[in-house]
Parts: sequence; structure tokens; C-alpha cells
Amino acid sequence: QKEVEQNSGPLSVPEGAIASLNCTYSDRGSQSFFWYRQYSGKSPELIMSIYSNGDKEDGRFTAQLNKASQYVSLLIRDSQPSDSATYLCALYGGATNKLIFGTGTLLAVQP
Amino acid sequence: DAGVIQSPRHEVTEMGQEVTLRCKPISGHNSLFWYRQTMMRGLELLIYFNNNVPIDDSGMPEDRFSAKMPNASFSTLKIQPSEPRDSAVYFCASSKYAGPAGEKLFFGSGTQLSVL
Repeated sequence: QKEVEQNSGPLSVPEGAIASLNCTYSDRGSQSFFWYRQYSGKSPELIMSIYSNGDKEDGRFTAQLNKASQYVSLLIRDSQPSDSATYLCALYGGATNKLIFGTGTLLAVQP
Repeated sequence: DAGVIQSPRHEVTEMGQEVTLRCKPISGHNSLFWYRQTMMRGLELLIYFNNNVPIDDSGMPEDRFSAKMPNASFSTLKIQPSEPRDSAVYFCASSKYAGPAGEKLFFGSGTQLSVL
């Protein structure tokens, strides 16, 4: 089992809809969780971090963490074409103590 | 601040040649990371440094890869000899510190390496 798993997509949503991106992980000792956005041909940039169970909201973005089920998700409300990018889930592994990335989910927001 | 600066942006070389990638982290950041990104494997951590000291190089594929950080403002990743399977985008990133606290990573623009 991969340390961090994401559906590669593409996930296609219409403009204005909610995009839901999911990520599961294998290391129960993982402590910190992140969502990075990467536009085509660009470098990743951090958009959300979450450290405890529950929801964390920042503007149109909501990160959700459920450590018991070992998943973390990202909701994007009122999706815009400018949100079209690859979204990378990342976490600090409890065993490895280093930042591990998933392979990312490609989101396409249709105007 | 100019951000993390990597050079070159693109490198095309022939199999067997030596390749050197360069990185200047953000001033004041104590941790530096080298990642490799491919379609198949995503972003893989190759090595990271804290205060110029290599902490974990378990991600370095093999002895052909080496990394140095002679001072707080410069790091290199060298591949010798290069092989076609090394073709990827190599990212350098820096942060104030590494560890479970999860300080934000700032990535450079990457080096697109093509080994023919």
C-alpha cells in the first residue's frame, strides 16, 4: 500500500459547483496534513494545512481530517476555472518524519 | 524576497554526462529539500538538510546521485553518470525548519532534466 493515495482523476466539475478531493494514508502515526496546488508547468504551493480531526475552513477551501479512518479531504466551494490544477495531498509520516506527497488529483473546472 | 532560486530551468544532456543542479534557498530558512517529480511516481523526496547538514538521504536513488550544501545559501544535486531514467523535474524547496510541526515549504521553479 502506498503511503499516500489519491485518485489521479481528472475530476471534472462545472463552474460554481463544489469540488471534493480525497486522500487516504497508511501511517497511523502521521501528524500533519497539507494540500498543495500545482498548476501545469509550475511548482507546488501550499493552500491548506490541518493538524487535528475535524474541519478547517479558509475562504472557499475546507480541509477535513479523520485520523480514525485515515483520510483527509479538500472541498472547494464555488469552483472557478482558475482552480483547475493538480492538487497534492501531503503529510508528515510518523515513522519517516518527513513530508510525503501523493501523486495528485487533476481537477478540471468547466466554464 | 526572491524566493527559492533554481538553475538551470532546463537541462538536456546525453547519457553518461555529469549533471549539476543548483539551488539558492530563501534567506533565513534552515531546511532545504530536493524532490524529484515524474508522472508515474509523483513527488519523491531525495534528500533534505537542516542547518546545512544532510539529515535523510534515503530517497537518493543510487550512488550516481549526490547532494551538497556547503553553506546556508547554496546547494547542489549532482548526477554522475546520468541515465535516461533520470529524466524528471527536480525541485528544490526550503522552509524555516523541518519536522512534524509542518512548516510551510516554498518550492523553486524546478529544473526540467532530459537525458537522451
